[in-house]
Amino acid sequence: GAGVSQSPSNKVTEKGKDVELRCDPISGHTALYWYRQSLGQGLEFLIYFQGNSAPDKSGLPSDRFSAERTGGSVSTLTIQRTQQEDSAVYLCASSLAMGGPQHFGDGTRLSIL
Amino acid sequence: QKEVEQNSGPLSVPEGAIASLNCTYSDRGSQSFFWYRQYSGKSPELIMFIYSNGDKEDGRFTAQLNKASQYVSLLIRDSQPSDSATYLCAVNRGAGSYQLTFGKGTKLSVIP
Repeated sequence: GAGVSQSPSNKVTEKGKDVELRCDPISGHTALYWYRQSLGQGLEFLIYFQGNSAPDKSGLPSDRFSAERTGGSVSTLTIQRTQQEDSAVYLCASSLAMGGPQHFGDGTRLSIL
Repeated sequence: QKEVEQNSGPLSVPEGAIASLNCTYSDRGSQSFFWYRQYSGKSPELIMFIYSNGDKEDGRFTAQLNKASQYVSLLIRDSQPSDSATYLCAVNRGAGSYQLTFGKGTKLSVIP
């Protein structure tokens, strides 16, 4: 596709449920990044991938968060046992190479009831 | 300690004027600097990036970088109402780091 694609665009779920967010980067982009943006807050870095490898997972808020990337393309961010504080917009970005300009998808708006 | 600081605004400028948006950062090892525009309810859109000291121009936009002062700015010439948005400054976390730290953004309002 022409841009970074994220799905679902919106997700409403009950506290305690697991959710899976998907990101399909721009074709040919080797680097992929996950951020979240809470209402009125700045972008919070979560994790990045170079190929299928995530060298630094320290940005993930808790062990309920995990992410993987397969085939150097699609990535999924999984949140287990969701809490209300997980409510935010989860943004995915990709870049042609590590450190290059990042291009963002439209995000997934996650609401935990 | 905030690593990337921006004036939250709002910054109001009349249509046709120059809008000047400023950003300071704390890590002297930072090497990559980006400006993003974010309309309300939308995702950030890359406007400019700059790696070297000095000015970089692209159309109505000019990014300015001064590493000695740890300062990066974005100038928007001939401001249009469609430029009204929040502008985010992003800086890599240090030499060799690929992680970006974003400022909280400056809200720009261009008055017709």
